[in-house]
Amino acid sequence: AQKVTQAQTEISVVEKEDVTLDCVYETRDTTYYLFWYKQPPSGELVFLIRRNSFDEQNEISGRYSWNFQKSTSSFNFTITASQVVDSAVYFCALIRGYKLSFGAGTTVTVRA
Amino acid sequence: EAQVTQNPRYLITVTGKKLTVTCSQNMNHEYMSWYRQDPGLGLRQIYYSMNVEVTDKGDVPEGYKVSRKEKRNFPLILESPSPNQTSLYFCASSLMPGITEAFFGQGTRLTVV
Repeated sequence: AQKVTQAQTEISVVEKEDVTLDCVYETRDTTYYLFWYKQPPSGELVFLIRRNSFDEQNEISGRYSWNFQKSTSSFNFTITASQVVDSAVYFCALIRGYKLSFGAGTTVTVRA
Repeated sequence: EAQVTQNPRYLITVTGKKLTVTCSQNMNHEYMSWYRQDPGLGLRQIYYSMNVEVTDKGDVPEGYKVSRKEKRNFPLILESPSPNQTSLYFCASSLMPGITEAFFGQGTRLTVV
């Protein structure tokens, strides 16, 4: 069985603070893919990033950055200089074959 | 515009009354799937389809049926809905699961009373 754990249920920060969301996964497969999705208050799911198990390069996209560490089975996500528009639920997900498993999500609230 | 369209967006129904939630994608994707989202549980996969006439169970298939007669459509059927199926449902499609990201529909909020 595969499993994705997002230990942080809710995080509240003041605008311009950095926030890091943790994601730990379990799988016995050597080939798998990891994703982060954002769900703003409007409810839709927005794709943020994809990583495969062979690519451990960290990535930065604007104020977003991701740290993939296979040795600790973690795929953490950092928002730098947070803004109110970053307020959303963030999901980490793992796919192996055709099965996709999501974490429970972390609700981020950014206060002005 | 590339999109996944679900209908209806909101539905209130009574226990036992059969219902269908439709899902259609215009991207010629082979892979489609259904999820339910519940507080504290994230999204859980109900069923998925690798291609026309090929479907398989996800993690929580009990009480649901699906069909894939055409590539673009993947309806979710609740033959006899029960209150524990009250949830937010999402349909998704992707070209190659994992290798490409999944595109999600807007969601269907179902309430069974």
